[in-house]
Amino acid sequence: NAGVTQTPKFQVLKTGQSMTLQCAQDMNHNSMYWYRQDPGMGLRLIYYSASEGTTDKGEVPNGYNVSRLNKREFSLRLESAAPSQTSVYFCASTRDGQPQHFGDGTRLSIL
Amino acid sequence: AQKVTQAQTEISVVEKEDVTLDCVYETRDTTYYLFWYKQPPSGELVFLIRRNSFDEQNEISGRYSWNFQKSTSSFNFTITASQVVDSAVYFCALSEAEGSQGNLIFGKGTKLSVKP
Repeated sequence: NAGVTQTPKFQVLKTGQSMTLQCAQDMNHNSMYWYRQDPGMGLRLIYYSASEGTTDKGEVPNGYNVSRLNKREFSLRLESAAPSQTSVYFCASTRDGQPQHFGDGTRLSIL
Repeated sequence: AQKVTQAQTEISVVEKEDVTLDCVYETRDTTYYLFWYKQPPSGELVFLIRRNSFDEQNEISGRYSWNFQKSTSSFNFTITASQVVDSAVYFCALSEAEGSQGNLIFGKGTKLSVKP
């Protein structure tokens, strides 16, 4: 009963490096989301995918790209990492009317 | 625009005290959902409750209770007889009606510390 699985759990990057955060869910959910959590800011939506084949920007999309590879997987890519992207990243999924289920998070540090 | 305000940044109580976490929301939608999530020191997000905008009944689950008042746009969370294990950051969140993308708007969270 894995739920939402995020990889990696921790990562350190240098400014300018690229990286893809992976997310997979096994609950047959239609919708998937990427959030970032910064101290004192709560969680903010980066991108979401309402269904397979669609993606849309959230509140803070700049510097990120996403891919909804299939119904299970939703990846987040940083093309050229910046220190301002140091954060904890959460992936979530849901289906209509249900609460979002969250992964355990990826702690990303950019030097 | 939708907005969730948790005015209490940090609260510290002694074990067995009751504590209420405040949540005030703004939305122009007539149909919406409200949520509470718990984030313990280990970092994961734990779902606690979902309430839809047409159900104003208070809910109790063990030591936890929730008071939803549309008249004041509030969805407050009370922990009775707090325990050390309740120490966590608690987030209130809002989403549009069922059938939408379900995007959550989070408050900034309230950090609760329960001391023995």
